Amino acid sequence: KAGVTQTPRYLIKTRGQQVTLSCSPISGHRSVSWYQQTPGQGLQFLFEYFSETQRNKGNFPGRFSGRQFSNSRSEMNVSTLELGDSALYLCASSVGDIGGYTFGSGTRLTVV
Amino acid sequence: SQQGEEDPQALSIQEGENATMNCSYKTSINNLQWYRQNSGRGLVHLILIRSNEREKHSGRLRVTLDTSKKSSSLLITASRAADTASYFCATDGNNYGQNFVFGPGTRLSVLP
Repeated sequence: KAGVTQTPRYLIKTRGQQVTLSCSPISGHRSVSWYQQTPGQGLQFLFEYFSETQRNKGNFPGRFSGRQFSNSRSEMNVSTLELGDSALYLCASSVGDIGGYTFGSGTRLTVV
Repeated sequence: SQQGEEDPQALSIQEGENATMNCSYKTSINNLQWYRQNSGRGLVHLILIRSNEREKHSGRLRVTLDTSKKSSSLLITASRAADTASYFCATDGNNYGQNFVFGPGTRLSVLP
């Protein structure tokens, strides 16, 4: 079966712009989580969506938002980009409350 | 601060040797997971161990969990060059939903 698909793979944006990243989970997976990975902070949890509802949220400013659609696909949006938002953004899906994640390959965002 | 902390930060061994990585965490958990990440790519789920389990095996991987010490170890036996990657432990912090805290990781280099 198809894995977790993240688009785009690479993105270059200018400070102040906004960006939308997309994630298509494995078919049947209802939970989608987003993580930011940077060399300095490591992997940090952004948020989790389950059945179109945000179920958990990490400690990120309100510029970071997300949503999940009825087909479980998820998007995350970052507004007013800052240089420090440059990172690998990883999406992960799982069946439900218990079990491991399946991660996508990530979107590498560079803010210049 | 991180819920999970891996030790050592970096490990270099020869092919055929065993590699042991340790993870310590701070709060109670429902389960602990180990993931592998090849450079710049998404994470691959290796193994999940529940809080009521003490040891789990998967192929060349052996994971132990000591909840009294809040620690886990990942042993890779008969390592191969292809095992070169970063390894992360992730804990759920006894939270509801899929909201994991990842440690900073151990960078494993297996030399041919």
